[in-house]
Amino acid sequence: SQELEQSPQSLIVQEGKNLTINCTSSKTLYGLYWYKQKYGEGLIFLMMLQKGGEEKSHEKITAKLDEKKQQSSLHITASQPSHAGIYLCGADPTGANSKLTFGKGITLSVRP
Amino acid sequence: DAGITQSPRHKVTETGTPVTLRCHQTENHRYMYWYRQDPGHGLRLIHYSYGVKDTDKGEVSDGYSVSRSKTEDFLLTLESATSSQTSVYFCAISESERGYSGELFFGEGSRLTVL
Repeated sequence: SQELEQSPQSLIVQEGKNLTINCTSSKTLYGLYWYKQKYGEGLIFLMMLQKGGEEKSHEKITAKLDEKKQQSSLHITASQPSHAGIYLCGADPTGANSKLTFGKGITLSVRP
Repeated sequence: DAGITQSPRHKVTETGTPVTLRCHQTENHRYMYWYRQDPGHGLRLIHYSYGVKDTDKGEVSDGYSVSRSKTEDFLLTLESATSSQTSVYFCAISESERGYSGELFFGEGSRLTVL
């Protein structure tokens, strides 16, 4: 089965600092999805990456997909307290376009 | 707004009792999912459905059953709850007009405690 390894497990940054988190797949990636979860709430979709080398941005968050490395990175520029939460990556384990499996998530704290 | 409602939102029950969680959507999306979230394990897929009476197992389906007799409702049943099933359960739907998209919309979660 496909495993998604996220690193680091948790991260504490000072407001205004940049940061990068990673998601590495044990198998071929058929699309990679980033989600964010605030404490006690459901997940919210951030971005989808489907092609190697693809890069997408939403506000101050940029995600990239390295298909050869089976890895995606998510970069936050000038972090703000609103960026705090759990970031999860998800992937389709079979390419059958029917379901997502997720990594364990990265907890991000942003200190004012 | 994906219009997903989970019920109950909180439940405490005893070992050995049956429990049913309900996920209701206000539109006619085909794909629905049940996940559980636990510290150290992240989010794991229990069961999913791709249409009325069409369901399939996820990675942690043992001890759970599901039913989908109507498009709008996806029920998750624990026939005999165990303490290991204490968790937060999330329902999600895929809102794509093409039937499936990895862009899922999640409910607010149902916190289940099995004593």
